[in-house]
Amino acid sequence: EAQVTQNPRYLITVTGKKLTVTCSQNMNHEYMSWYRQDPGLGLRQIYYSMNVEATDKGDVPEGYKVSRKEKRNFPLILESPSPNQTSLYFCASSLARRSTDTQYFGPGTRLTVL
Amino acid sequence: DAKTTQPNSMESNEEEPVHLPCNHSTISGTDYIHWYRQLPSQGPEYVIHGLTSNVNNRMASLAIAEDRKSSTLILHRATLRDAAVYYCILRVQTSGSRLTFGEGTQLTVNP
Repeated sequence: EAQVTQNPRYLITVTGKKLTVTCSQNMNHEYMSWYRQDPGLGLRQIYYSMNVEATDKGDVPEGYKVSRKEKRNFPLILESPSPNQTSLYFCASSLARRSTDTQYFGPGTRLTVL
Repeated sequence: DAKTTQPNSMESNEEEPVHLPCNHSTISGTDYIHWYRQLPSQGPEYVIHGLTSNVNNRMASLAIAEDRKSSTLILHRATLRDAAVYYCILRVQTSGSRLTFGEGTQLTVNP
């Protein structure tokens, strides 16, 4: 089954403790991205990647890192999480970056930073 | 990016058609109109997209005004599973695959 998977689905952590949220897709998609969703602010893009070893900032990249060493994986790294990064995170992928390409979203990771 | 305007919420009865409106008066000639929906506790999922002509797929129909300043997503027979937040999004050629989500329309389907 074609899908985007994220792990963990739920995470509670403390300020400053490094964490990684994994994202994997099995559709051989070139384009992957991360969004965060907050009440009243909608979904906002954090980082995106157009292919292996090609990443770029989205609208809200501060406090986050990403890497794309393999085509299928696109982990989101929080080196020193802070409470304002408490949010619902979604990974997404699409075949390419054309404006007609459908984006497929993962199930989400709910992160709480205390 | 061009902005879209949608009602905050709408209600429908099960098995009746639903028309979800979207205004995008600043749309440019190459912007595609996409609709995504987000069911409770899930990630957004693609519904349909179009440029100028009306479009149909197994999930819904998209009716685009002749001047392209508005569009309507049509669910032909709403089911309880269609209760979700529906997002109307303009895909700008220059911004590639970034999706700019607004607040969307919360659709409630009554049994």
